[in-house]
Amino acid sequence: DTGVSQDPRHKITKRGQNVTFRCDPISEHNRLYWYRQTLGQGPEFLTYFQNEAQLEKSRLLSDRFSAERPKGSFSTLEIQRTEQGDSAMYLCASSLVPSLNTEAFFGQGTRLTVV
Amino acid sequence: LAKTTQPISMDSYEGQEVNITCSHNNIATNDYITWYQQFPSQGPRFIIQGYKTKVTNEVASLFIPADRKSSTLSLPRVSLSDTAVYYCLVGDNGGGYQKVTFGIGTKLQVIP
Repeated sequence: DTGVSQDPRHKITKRGQNVTFRCDPISEHNRLYWYRQTLGQGPEFLTYFQNEAQLEKSRLLSDRFSAERPKGSFSTLEIQRTEQGDSAMYLCASSLVPSLNTEAFFGQGTRLTVV
Repeated sequence: LAKTTQPISMDSYEGQEVNITCSHNNIATNDYITWYQQFPSQGPRFIIQGYKTKVTNEVASLFIPADRKSSTLSLPRVSLSDTAVYYCLVGDNGGGYQKVTFGIGTKLQVIP
């Protein structure tokens, strides 16, 4: 297993367009998390899944954002009608819960630029 | 979830030991303390996690006093490649610490 994989690594889109990002977690991990990170800030929690169930969403998550994990494996994050303020790094992480060490493994992120 | 406070930045010379302290005054009984490292344009990487006293691994040590209201990440003999942002997180070990927004972290600059 090569770790958490995110695709694409970079995305440039025009304001108003929809974008979709994909995250492939470590195969045996049942938890999957999405974060957003802007320059100079730490990652901001957006949402997480336990298997295919989306258990929590940040109240900061706009209705334009939707995430899915249809078969409990990979996940997608879609942003509709993108705005310039959506420009950020979108990070995905996965972990196995419960376990002795619930270390979360992060992907390298998808950098979104809205022009 | 417990809020954490840590210095915004630190400088250190190569070869020195670096200690980064994190305050978490309202830590809960079932909360663990976890530290992550992040390099530019990469996702954060787990460094160490502990509940009380001292934890050591091949990368760092984590010191937690009896009252658990603070913790100190210790990096022995830092090198230039340790220049990164270090985040302190507090939350339960059932994945709770991951359902948080990371703070600004501590930006460590290692100087040759």
